[in-house]
Amino acid sequence: EPEVTQTPSHQVTQMGQEVILRCVPISNHLYFYWYRQILGQKVEFLVSFYNNEISEKSEIFDDQFSVERPDGSNFTLKIRSTKLEDSAMYFCASSEVGQRFSTDTQYFGPGTRLTVL
Amino acid sequence: DQQVKQNSPSLSVQEGRISILNCDYTNSMFDYFLWYKKYPAEGPTFLISISSIKDKNEDGRFTVFLNKSAKHLSLHIVPSQPGDSAVYFCAASEKGGSEKLVFGKGTKLTVNP
Repeated sequence: EPEVTQTPSHQVTQMGQEVILRCVPISNHLYFYWYRQILGQKVEFLVSFYNNEISEKSEIFDDQFSVERPDGSNFTLKIRSTKLEDSAMYFCASSEVGQRFSTDTQYFGPGTRLTVL
Repeated sequence: DQQVKQNSPSLSVQEGRISILNCDYTNSMFDYFLWYKKYPAEGPTFLISISSIKDKNEDGRFTVFLNKSAKHLSLHIVPSQPGDSAVYFCAASEKGGSEKLVFGKGTKLTVNP
């Protein structure tokens, strides 16, 4: 069964450093997402991406964050200058046709645990 | 911002019995609801969904009920098995409004042998 994969599973970084989290969405899916879950809190939406553009972003997704689809398979989340409060599990998800105009299902990857020291 | 609420942080049931997990929402624009199951160190796994045009959807041991007037949905697992022990998240989306899923905080289900 196709699945979303993410690397690395755990990333430790120093405050102020840049990190790139990587995801390989399900191959025939057109919409890609990043969510995060801070320990003990809800899973929160960060950004959605379609047709090589951001289609929606939350207030969390500020100028420190960027997303990219550098090739035909990878989808990345970059945090330019990490802060302590960026420590969280980051989940990538993908869906076939998106949520806005359909009842679609988002499939999640296993997550990357980001620890900022 | 608590648009999706799961008021029970945990639930414990005996193997073979019914597990009922509840979810309430406040945004009347939500029209599609999903349940995800999450094991430790894994991502949320899709379980079952329901559109607002239905009041029930069934898939094997899992049934989701939707009461739109009460803005309430529930997930029934019958019979419960020890392998069902996980955190269950309720999520909602707003067709025509947004790409995002809005999640509840989750309910940790423990099924005792």
